[in-house]
Amino acid sequence: DAGITQSPRHKVTETGTPVTLRCHQTENHRYMYWYRQDPGHGLRLIHYSYGVKDTDKGEVSDGYSVSRSKTEDFLLTLESATSSQTSVYFCAISGSSGPTGELFFGEGSRLTVL
Amino acid sequence: AQTVTQSQPEMSVQEAETVTLSCTYDTSENNYYLFWYKQPPSRQMILVIRQEAYKQQNATENRFSVNFQKAAKSFSLKISDSQLGDTAMYFCAFMFVGTDKLIFGTGTRLQVFP
Repeated sequence: DAGITQSPRHKVTETGTPVTLRCHQTENHRYMYWYRQDPGHGLRLIHYSYGVKDTDKGEVSDGYSVSRSKTEDFLLTLESATSSQTSVYFCAISGSSGPTGELFFGEGSRLTVL
Repeated sequence: AQTVTQSQPEMSVQEAETVTLSCTYDTSENNYYLFWYKQPPSRQMILVIRQEAYKQQNATENRFSVNFQKAAKSFSLKISDSQLGDTAMYFCAFMFVGTDKLIFGTGTRLQVFP
């Protein structure tokens, strides 16, 4: 299994509070991604990173920010959580030398915003 | 925008039988990859099979094969000799060559019965 760890795995929070999800990899892969998974929508890309301090938006980036200060860590922050951000969040990594479409996924972080 | 459509939200098959999951996509480009990912009930997603659009030969991985119809923009997954461990959500995905973002369909939940 690819060395990807997400934390926390489960979190319940209240509307308006900040939340940070962490993705840690031990594979030294350049590309890292945050997806959210919702019934009827499949997986939708939130943000991704193609190197330290290099990030870009995905299709559902509103309300989320990311940071990558080290190759191994990619943080997803909800500055002020809303109920619409209740979801399962997946981190993924891809390709030590470039994007190939073969993503290795973490186990997911289930976030509930009350 | 590129879209990936999986029109079968749920399917079931008896063990040892064959099942085909459908996927269609929409793009005006010629150079892309297509994928099928599997998400078992444990939730960690894994790559099942990958197809380069420039290859006419359909990809095969053991019991999993695809029927790639480029003109029809169709990419179905055939699972032969279905096993209980094939029970999972299956996602079709698309990526342009030279980009680093996967676009996923909404998924098909497959149940394999004994």
